[in-house]
Amino acid sequence: DIVMTQSPDSLAVSLGERATINCKSSQSVLSSSDSKNSLAWYQQKPGQPPKLLIYWASTRESGVPDRFSGSGSGTDFTLTISSLQAEDVAVYYCQQYYTTPNTFGQGTKLEIK
Amino acid sequence: EVHLVESGGGLVQPGGSLRLSCATSGFTFSNYAMSWVRQAPGKGLEWVSSVFGSGSNTYYADSVKGRFTISRDNSKNTLYLQMNSLRAEDTALYYCAKEGAAGGLGYFQNWGQGTLVTVSS
Repeated sequence: DIVMTQSPDSLAVSLGERATINCKSSQSVLSSSDSKNSLAWYQQKPGQPPKLLIYWASTRESGVPDRFSGSGSGTDFTLTISSLQAEDVAVYYCQQYYTTPNTFGQGTKLEIK
Repeated sequence: EVHLVESGGGLVQPGGSLRLSCATSGFTFSNYAMSWVRQAPGKGLEWVSSVFGSGSNTYYADSVKGRFTISRDNSKNTLYLQMNSLRAEDTALYYCAKEGAAGGLGYFQNWGQGTLVTVSS
């Protein structure tokens, strides 16, 4: 199974500042056939189901604010929130869907400093 | 608009069974693989099982293989999870999730609100 490891486990950022969450996979999730990285990011607020933010490592889901961006390739990925808003307080998860079982990172809790 | 509504959760004794359902609307159900993802209290997300649109191909996490069975009724736009031989470690909020792209397994574009399964004596 591919193990997904996120860092840090928790993060406190001031409003308006940049937040960066990292995700590392134990093996590459880059497909040689189409050069796509099978990596998604989700946001989960308390008491709510996860919400898809990013897929194919860098494609923003419809309706997601453009302050959210994804980058990386192979085994190392990053979710960046360019200017933190109060409503971004949540737990963020990465997920690989390159192979079954698809697996999630342990989550990163983002708070306001 | 896509809607996913889970039901069937509850309190069950160890060794017992439950059947979860996920009623869907707002998309062509048979075109999309569907999955169950669970979240133990205060913990992260764990993929449980997936089924292709036709129902012909199913996949399970090792932790539930041989005990859980995923199925779907495309005439009723409904996804199911039959859970047998339940254990305390199966206690979780179970989410129904729709794949983002028609035809395959991938990222989860839509999620239900979840149904809580508690396994305890």
